Amino acid sequence: DTGVSQDPRHKITKRGQNVTFRCDPISEHNRLYWYRQTLGQGPEFLTYFQNEAQLEKSRLLSDRFSAERPKGSFSTLEIQRTEQGDSAMYLCASSRGSNTEAFFGQGTRLTVV
Amino acid sequence: QKEVEQDPGPLSVPEGAIVSLNCTYSNSAFQYFMWYRQYSRKGPELLMYTYSSGNKEDGRFTAQVDKSSKYISLFIRDSQPSDSATYLCAFMGGFKTIFGAGTRLFVKA
Repeated sequence: DTGVSQDPRHKITKRGQNVTFRCDPISEHNRLYWYRQTLGQGPEFLTYFQNEAQLEKSRLLSDRFSAERPKGSFSTLEIQRTEQGDSAMYLCASSRGSNTEAFFGQGTRLTVV
Repeated sequence: QKEVEQDPGPLSVPEGAIVSLNCTYSNSAFQYFMWYRQYSRKGPELLMYTYSSGNKEDGRFTAQVDKSSKYISLFIRDSQPSDSATYLCAFMGGFKTIFGAGTRLFVKA
């Protein structure tokens, strides 16, 4: 399968715990994006990377959130001190470059209890 | 005014019907227009991608863009129960994609 891969698919955590998600983009894509989606809403942009550089972060991305793409390949999204409001689907997407369509992974569904 | 407006539905149609899904937008900087399909608990799947006004056809799907009215549509011909999903319009005018809230479509057999 050469699509975008996300791990884990589901995560249940207690409030206050830290969680980390991984995304493996399509291999020749240099842009990688993280989005968050809540029930009944479209995906909302969180951040994006061009190769290993994080070029933009949304105001939605509080200081409890951090994303990395250390070698310009896979990326991780960490949420520290999780809150119930963090419960959502976290989607990763990748694209070949600017102004090209983005392809999404299956998402990681986070439930904070 | 929201950047993107999309009727959330739900929209229920009989099998074989022609479905029309629509979005309006306010940002003139949007240059690329997309439709994604999302099944329950899955990631969005790209259906159509276009950058010019007019129609683009792919099988049973036709995407229509009217830049002067800031209005895009997706038409589905001969709809099938397998088309039951949420359809997201999406717009790109820079580094990120802005999505509508999605329209839930049910096609009844």
